[in-house]
Amino acid sequence: DVKVTQSSRYLVKRTGEKVFLECVQDMDHENMFWYRQDPGLGLRLIYFSYDVKMKEKGDIPEGYSVSREKKERFSLILESASTNQTSMYLCASSSQTSGRSPYEQYFGPGTRLTVT
Amino acid sequence: GESVGLHLPTLSVQEGDNSIINCAYSNSASDYFIWYKQESGKGPQFIIDIRSNMDKRQGQRVTVLLNKTVKHLSLQIAATQPGDSAVYFCAENIRGNRDDKIIFGKGTRLHILP
Repeated sequence: DVKVTQSSRYLVKRTGEKVFLECVQDMDHENMFWYRQDPGLGLRLIYFSYDVKMKEKGDIPEGYSVSREKKERFSLILESASTNQTSMYLCASSSQTSGRSPYEQYFGPGTRLTVT
Repeated sequence: GESVGLHLPTLSVQEGDNSIINCAYSNSASDYFIWYKQESGKGPQFIIDIRSNMDKRQGQRVTVLLNKTVKHLSLQIAATQPGDSAVYFCAENIRGNRDDKIIFGKGTRLHILP
């Protein structure tokens, strides 16, 4: 069974702290994504990666960075957390080679981050 | 997430009836349209997609219809069950010079009446 895990379900951080959100997938997927989900705004893409050490900006990359040192792990970093980064963060992965839909993304359960 | 549905349009359907969830899209260049389902406390789950050169595709208990003339997409769920209660997102793909990503709509909450 495919699985995407995120390091925390709930996280509370203070303004200005550096925050690391970790995502691990066990499906040998090439593609990994970070989204944030806010009421009334749906899911918005922050960053994505199609390969190890490769990253591409999504629609709202400001205030975030990412790291992909290993194929199975994709980290989202908030360099200096701010209150407007309070949100649900969702990680996803997908395969380039499975023969299934190229847009079938597998999501983790999400991390609810609160910045105070 | 727990609060994802606060400002969402809601569709209430009697258990056993068919559900039709509608979506309008904006990008004429999209070549895939996708439906995701998100249950409370979980991440979204892929349901079905349809290529832009098709107007109908069927899955297990679901049918997606695409009308490119009016840029409209719908998801039909047959014989709605309590487990269908969720937020449903439509999405379209956007191809750039170096990337291919999907843009999600804001979602519709499906509420099942007993």
